[in-house]
Amino acid sequence: GEDVEQSLFLSVREGDSSVINCTYTDSSSTYLYWYKQEPGAGLQLLTYIFSNMDMKQDQRLTVLLNKKDKHLSLRIADTQTGDSAIYFCAEIRYNNAGNMLTFGGGTRLMVKP
Amino acid sequence: DTGVSQNPRHKITKRGQNVTFRCDPISEHNRLYWYRQTLGQGPEFLTYFQNEAQLEKSRLLSDRFSAERPKGSFSTLEIQRTEQGDSAMYLCASSFGGNPTDTQYFGPGTRLTVL
Repeated sequence: GEDVEQSLFLSVREGDSSVINCTYTDSSSTYLYWYKQEPGAGLQLLTYIFSNMDMKQDQRLTVLLNKKDKHLSLRIADTQTGDSAIYFCAEIRYNNAGNMLTFGGGTRLMVKP
Repeated sequence: DTGVSQNPRHKITKRGQNVTFRCDPISEHNRLYWYRQTLGQGPEFLTYFQNEAQLEKSRLLSDRFSAERPKGSFSTLEIQRTEQGDSAMYLCASSFGGNPTDTQYFGPGTRLTVL
């Protein structure tokens, strides 16, 4: 299985809040990221959180980090149809050569009007 | 320069042919990464450059794959003797190594289909 895990699918109604969850494995990761991918497109960086933080808010986005449980979540307030996409969490892993991102399998968010 | 660009956006080839993809990073970024994404999966790391030096290669990168970044700016990824299992989206990302977050910004990807 993947080192970073996410649920596959989430469906919400327009205007509701969405919560996308992620568990990761590398306790030494210093930054954790959320990316958005629309059909046929590359990855768009949404937000990131430093590992010594519990929460970060950025407009409609709230990231919560539970380092003890290695659990990360992304809350989208007032979800819109334009938020329909696949959301990936990623952890950064360092080695002597540099950094690499390890991604979860993605959560497909469907927003119903 | 508004972001990472990749060419071509789509490539269809026959099994056994060679293909080459190009990535132009954000101009001030010294780090460049290649990832591969198969259908329904998250991206997987392939290789990484700091300036012109290739510093890390995943074991996913078989000897049919080669990547270069000759002048520390654009990069190419070549796949020789393509196989159907090479069909995927190839994503390029860049980052500025002097930034503590080292945030990676992705291009639109090149979708490869091997027939």
